[in-house]
Amino acid sequence: NAGVTQTPKFQVLKTGQSMTLQCAQDMNHEYMSWYRQDPGMGLRLIHYSVGAGITDQGEVPNGYNVSRSTTEDFPLRLLSAAPSQTSVYFCATSGVGYGYTFGSGTRLTVV
Amino acid sequence: DQQVKQNSPSLSVQEGRISILNCDYTNSMFDYFLWYKKYPAEGPTFLISISSIKDKNEDGRFTVFLNKSAKHLSLHIVPSQPGDSAVYFCAASGSNDYKLSFGAGTTVTVRA
Repeated sequence: NAGVTQTPKFQVLKTGQSMTLQCAQDMNHEYMSWYRQDPGMGLRLIHYSVGAGITDQGEVPNGYNVSRSTTEDFPLRLLSAAPSQTSVYFCATSGVGYGYTFGSGTRLTVV
Repeated sequence: DQQVKQNSPSLSVQEGRISILNCDYTNSMFDYFLWYKKYPAEGPTFLISISSIKDKNEDGRFTVFLNKSAKHLSLHIVPSQPGDSAVYFCAASGSNDYKLSFGAGTTVTVRA
């Protein structure tokens, strides 16, 4: 039982490149979300989904896209990477009455 | 504008003593509060929570206190152990709201 799996763990991108951060969960939870962690800023919500086919913006959605075609997967797409997107990204899932379970994170550097 | 604030970026405490972490919030709609613990290169893990109908919740060495009128909560760790050295995040949500708002975190260092 893996819980929440994020790939890759590390990534270096050049400015302007695009990429997809993968998140998969095996907990059958409806709610999934993406956060970014920056020094002094804590965890900020990027996008979230309350079920397959339903997504919405969080606090800092600009420059990111998401989709939710299955309960298990919630990929985060960077359309045109910028240095300001250098961060650690966490995917989390939650079921009704359960707390969040986080993945181990993706450390992204944009140069 | 951050709705959950942890004003102390760091805390150093001697092993065996009490660690007290503080958290303030501004959104009066928040009614569920959580603390998460994070080690380097790992995701945050749930530590303890409290709902607004309570003012205290205890789990082993960890106790969370909630003062609704002051919009303030605190986490007490007694006694502090070296394995408690980590970043602690305070988080809050409203009723029936999956979304969590997090504070900036407090780095706790437990000295031997």
